[in-house]
Amino acid sequence: DAGVTQSPTHLIKTRGQHVTLRCSPISGHKSVSWYQQVLGQGPQFIFQYYEKEERGRGNFPDRFSARQFPNYSSELNVNALLLGDSALYLCASSLADSSSYNEQFFGPGTRLTVL
Amino acid sequence: EDQVTQSPEALRLQEGESSSLNCSYTVSGLRGLFWYRQDPGKGPEFLFTLYSAGEEKEKERLKATLTKKESFLHITAPKPEDSATYLCAVAENSGYSTLTFGKGTMLLVSP
Repeated sequence: DAGVTQSPTHLIKTRGQHVTLRCSPISGHKSVSWYQQVLGQGPQFIFQYYEKEERGRGNFPDRFSARQFPNYSSELNVNALLLGDSALYLCASSLADSSSYNEQFFGPGTRLTVL
Repeated sequence: EDQVTQSPEALRLQEGESSSLNCSYTVSGLRGLFWYRQDPGKGPEFLFTLYSAGEEKEKERLKATLTKKESFLHITAPKPEDSATYLCAVAENSGYSTLTFGKGTMLLVSP
């Protein structure tokens, strides 16, 4: 079975540009979460989506936005990129959101470098 | 606010030298505690979920335990392929199923 997939694998942008990252969850999983991981730190929660609705948002500026599509895939958008946005962006999928806890399974990540 | 602290930050072991990694946490209500393994430049790989104090889970050379304030990941007779960063995360009992991660313990096992 295919795991969580993310695209692109690597991305290089310059300050002020916009970026879109994509994620496809494990088949049957309806919840997608996004995390940012900077070097030497643990992943930090950005967004969670379930059934196309935003169910949680971490402490990130409005430059960060996301959405989930009817097929449960998701996009993370970041506007007006800053050098500090350079990080590994991780997508995780799970079966459901909060009624009963389900483990989150991570994709390989997208490495974003902002110059 | 949830807080997850992992220690040590880095650990170097000889092959076969058993040890333990620590994860201490403070949450208002624990829904679950999770251990992940992460290789450089890759996404975290799920290892274990623990839900209540006293619970233990094992997988090959790894054993995870949970108390009301901390979790331990015991590594028995490690091999070089066990070298990775081990991440601990908690999910709070209220709100949505988001994870709060510690900074991880970087484990290096030398042959």
